[in-house]
Amino acid sequence: GENVEQHPSTLSVQEGDSAVIKCTYSDSASNYFPWYKQELGKRPQLIIDIRSNVGEKKDQRIAVTLNKTAKHFSLHITETQPEDSAVYFCAASFSSNTGKLIFGQGTTLQVKP
Amino acid sequence: GAGVSQSPSNKVTEKGKDVELRCDPISGHTALYWYRQSLGQGLEFLIYFQGNSAPDKSGLPSDRFSAERTGGSVSTLTIQRTQQEDSAVYLCASSLQVGEQFFGPGTRLTVL
Repeated sequence: GENVEQHPSTLSVQEGDSAVIKCTYSDSASNYFPWYKQELGKRPQLIIDIRSNVGEKKDQRIAVTLNKTAKHFSLHITETQPEDSAVYFCAASFSSNTGKLIFGQGTTLQVKP
Repeated sequence: GAGVSQSPSNKVTEKGKDVELRCDPISGHTALYWYRQSLGQGLEFLIYFQGNSAPDKSGLPSDRFSAERTGGSVSTLTIQRTQQEDSAVYLCASSLQVGEQFFGPGTRLTVL
């Protein structure tokens, strides 16, 4: 079935350290993988996404890597700052026709000053 | 332009009552999605609209849930005979094409 597993569920790092969140997906036909950041009581906001024809994408302190063979993708945040503290969700699109997203369970990232 | 908006922001209802949740997508976005987020959980897909039609309703949890979209714009999610397990934040998202989805602020539904 359609499934996305996300780990860890919580992550605590010191300011300036790196943070890595990993996700695996079940359907090899998935072709779009966004990452959303959700602050408490706010709407999810897209921070970066990657398509299946690309192995890595970077945007300033944020990068995403995709391993299609292993069916997993990861979010990397470098030089973390307290404002990076939030819940991060990975997702995979299981249908190129509808864009329907299946989300992971989320990772609560805490960056300690 | 304006982002995705949803109303009401909060809804408290009694078990057994019907509720309607509204979503106004970004103007011009033909794709519209409803998701549900239970406390501390990820987002659960409910239904997808392309224009006014709903080619994917696979996430609706029961026949008490229905949704419609009119004029290729506003969508309404209706939950009949609400149950306590329906309590969650209901999020709407829209997109211009398959890809980035822009989310609304959500409606927090509490069923007493």
